[in-house]
Amino acid sequence: AQSVTQLDSQVPVFEEAPVELRCNYSSSVSVYLFWYVQYPNQGLQLLLKYLSGSTLVESINGFEAEFNKSQTSFHLRKPSVHISDTAEYFCAVSQAIQGAQKLVFGQGTRLTINP
Amino acid sequence: DAGITQSPRHKVTETGTPVTLRCHQTENHRYMYWYRQDPGHGLRLIHYSYGVKDTDKGEVSDGYSVSRSKTEDFLLTLESATSSQTSVYFCAISTGASGANVLTFGAGSRLTVL
Repeated sequence: AQSVTQLDSQVPVFEEAPVELRCNYSSSVSVYLFWYVQYPNQGLQLLLKYLSGSTLVESINGFEAEFNKSQTSFHLRKPSVHISDTAEYFCAVSQAIQGAQKLVFGQGTRLTINP
Repeated sequence: DAGITQSPRHKVTETGTPVTLRCHQTENHRYMYWYRQDPGHGLRLIHYSYGVKDTDKGEVSDGYSVSRSKTEDFLLTLESATSSQTSVYFCAISTGASGANVLTFGAGSRLTVL
């Protein structure tokens, strides 16, 4: 069975500082990996995804994540955060069953940006 | 928002009462999902559907049933609500190219069982 572990439940950082949110997964098969973001009182939005190809994937708002197969990790990074990045971030691995994409989520990391 | 509407958005009910949450989509997607979100657990899959009248269980299906009589509607029913089912429920649909579909989520339904 696949599983996802997000190593930090909360990460406080100062504005304009770099941040890394850690994610490790376990799977015996090829995986698709995702980061979703949930802003306060909203649903989840896709931030970025790794399907194949380049192991470094980027989002439109400056986040990037690197797929590391040997370490089974998919850490999320941003070199300089903004107040607007305050949200909860979820790492997920996809499992295809009968054509359905069942996502297995980590526990979430709450990112708090302090001015 | 990929045309996903959840209703009701908020509901307070009492233990033992039945509750039905509705997910409606406007884009004719085949796959639909119900997740629940709880602090410290992330999101967990309750049930999913791969077509009209075709559904299957997820990892936390006990106490829940689903129905899909039309492509656009996926209903989640709690036959007799319990306090442990207090949660935020999210519906999702699969979008994107086959084989690596991305999930798009609704805005959520917050259920409180007293």
